[in-house]
Amino acid sequence: AQSVTQLDSQVPVFEEAPVELRCNYSSSVSVYLFWYVQYPNQGLQLLLKYLSGSTLVESINGFEAEFNKSQTSFHLRKPSVHISDTAEYFCAVSYNAGNMLTFGGGTRLMVKP
Amino acid sequence: DGGITQSPKYLFRKEGQNVTLSCEQNLNHDAMYWYRQDPGQGLRLIYYSQIVNDFQKGDIAEGYSVSREKKESFPLTVTSAQKNPTAFYLCASSSRSGGETQYFGPGTRLLVL
Repeated sequence: AQSVTQLDSQVPVFEEAPVELRCNYSSSVSVYLFWYVQYPNQGLQLLLKYLSGSTLVESINGFEAEFNKSQTSFHLRKPSVHISDTAEYFCAVSYNAGNMLTFGGGTRLMVKP
Repeated sequence: DGGITQSPKYLFRKEGQNVTLSCEQNLNHDAMYWYRQDPGQGLRLIYYSQIVNDFQKGDIAEGYSVSREKKESFPLTVTSAQKNPTAFYLCASSSRSGGETQYFGPGTRLLVL
């Protein structure tokens, strides 16, 4: 069965420190990869996605993620976090070029002053 | 503004009662989805519809029903057969092409009286 694993359920970090949120997925010939962010009591918003081409993708607010095919990973990174980055982050995978998504369990990023 | 609306924001259900959650989109998307979110469990797919007048069960369809009579609307009914309905319910839509972003509504929180 296809699965997406987010290894950390919670990640506490101090403001201006770097952070990495980990995501691994079950191997498949063809995958599209997504990171979504959810602020409290809201829906999910797309942060960034990888479809093809350069394995490093960036968002407008300083996050980046790298597709690593050999390790079946798509970890999310930010070199310096802000208080406003406090939210839950979900990794999602679309298998076999379809439009259905399989979600990881989420990682709660808690940025402390 | 294009987007997805869900109503109500909060919904209370009495035992034995069926309740219906509304989801409307004006993005001209063919595909629509319903997810259930419980703390620490990520998003689980309840039902999805790839086109009007057609829908499919997701991973946790028992105790739920849907209809897709119009392209822009995909209501979810939580029936009395759903014994543990307390959760945050999210509706999403996308085009049917692979790799397309799913856009999410703001969610409905269902509570049992």
